[in-house]
Amino acid sequence: AQSVTQLGSHVSVSEGALVLLRCNYSSSVPPYLFWYVQYPNQGLQLLLKYTSAATLVKGINGFEAEFKKSETSFHLTKPSAHMSDAAEYFCAVSEPSGGGADGLTFGKGTHLIIQP
Amino acid sequence: EAQVTQNPRYLITVTGKKLTVTCSQNMNHEYMSWYRQDPGLGLRQIYYSMNVEVTDKGDVPEGYKVSRKEKRNFPLILESPSPNQTSLYFCASNHRANTEAFFGQGTRLTVV
Repeated sequence: AQSVTQLGSHVSVSEGALVLLRCNYSSSVPPYLFWYVQYPNQGLQLLLKYTSAATLVKGINGFEAEFKKSETSFHLTKPSAHMSDAAEYFCAVSEPSGGGADGLTFGKGTHLIIQP
Repeated sequence: EAQVTQNPRYLITVTGKKLTVTCSQNMNHEYMSWYRQDPGLGLRQIYYSMNVEVTDKGDVPEGYKVSRKEKRNFPLILESPSPNQTSLYFCASNHRANTEAFFGQGTRLTVV
């Protein structure tokens, strides 16, 4: 069974500061990993995904994430926060070779607050 | 434009009055699913469908029904809504179960 833990339901950073959102996963097989962003009153939008190619994945809006198998982590970072980054962020995992129909399993989300 | 379309966006209803939330995708995806989003609980899968006429329960199926008569459509049915089903609902479609999910804009349901 797969699961995702996102550390910190709320993260607050100053504009221009580093953004770091933490995600740890549990999976019985090498996983696929995803980060989604949800702006107020909108659906979820894919930021980036890891599908067993390069371990450092670049996404939209200047975000990137690094897959670390030894730490079972897939933390999301952005060098310099912008006010428009304020949103809810979800990490998700799936098992590409598990053959199951579970789809993606999501973490509980991290609300990113940007202080001016 | 590739998209998942849900309707309605907002719905207020009374306890026990049957309702249907529609979902349609134009990407010819095999896999479709419904999630509910509640504060502090993230997204929880209600039902999913691997293909036409193939549906199964997710993590929180009680009180919900689905059908998949056509590949593009996956409606969510609440036969007798209750206040604990007040939530934000999302439909999603994937090319396959474990690939990226494309989400609709969401339906905010309030049951009074």
